[in-house]
Amino acid sequence: GQQVMQIPQYQHVQEGEDFTTYCNSSTTLSNIQWYKQRPGGHPVFLIQLVKSGEVKKQKRLTFQFGEAKKNSSLHITATQTTDVGTYFCAVKLNSGYSTLTFGKGTMLLVSP
Amino acid sequence: GAGVSQSPSNKVTEKGKDVELRCDPISGHTALYWYRQRLGQGLEFLIYFQGNSAPDKSGLPSDRFSAERTGESVSTLTIQRTQQEDSAVYLCASSTALALTGELFFGEGSRLTVL
Repeated sequence: GQQVMQIPQYQHVQEGEDFTTYCNSSTTLSNIQWYKQRPGGHPVFLIQLVKSGEVKKQKRLTFQFGEAKKNSSLHITATQTTDVGTYFCAVKLNSGYSTLTFGKGTMLLVSP
Repeated sequence: GAGVSQSPSNKVTEKGKDVELRCDPISGHTALYWYRQRLGQGLEFLIYFQGNSAPDKSGLPSDRFSAERTGESVSTLTIQRTQQEDSAVYLCASSTALALTGELFFGEGSRLTVL
């Protein structure tokens, strides 16, 4: 059935290195959201992308929505230890249906 | 309230007992979601309420799980005859959006441990 795939599942980087997580869908998406969950915490909304090819930046974070609206990426430049956590993408798989389906997440570990 | 409030924060129960988890959404939020998150895993959708519409129960894993919401206020998730595989953090989230899904605001979660 329809689902969203997120890769990688896990990444360990040295502080200062870059990090990217990808979210892929087999169907066209109306929009995509990204959330961050710190260890022991709850997911916190980062951003929503709606337009084809959209790129949004938040300080060291860059979010992209693919031209076909089937994939998205979150890139972190020069990671810091505060970036540690699990990053989830979330999509609405069915048109006119508001249930948000979350990807399995990418766990990021940053070593100082 | 200022944020989504969930109670209890922690619940330890014996296998076979019933448990009730409560979620108090942000005032004015019409949409309310329940998700389950097993240790180290992603968020598994359970149920969605939108205003006075019929809830989307498609994510409930078995008939032991049920949820209610009165209007646009508090929701309760009930798990009957708990099993060890029910152990997880149960997250509630609320949102203002109607047709276009908006930002979800999550509570701190209720950690359920079934012995």
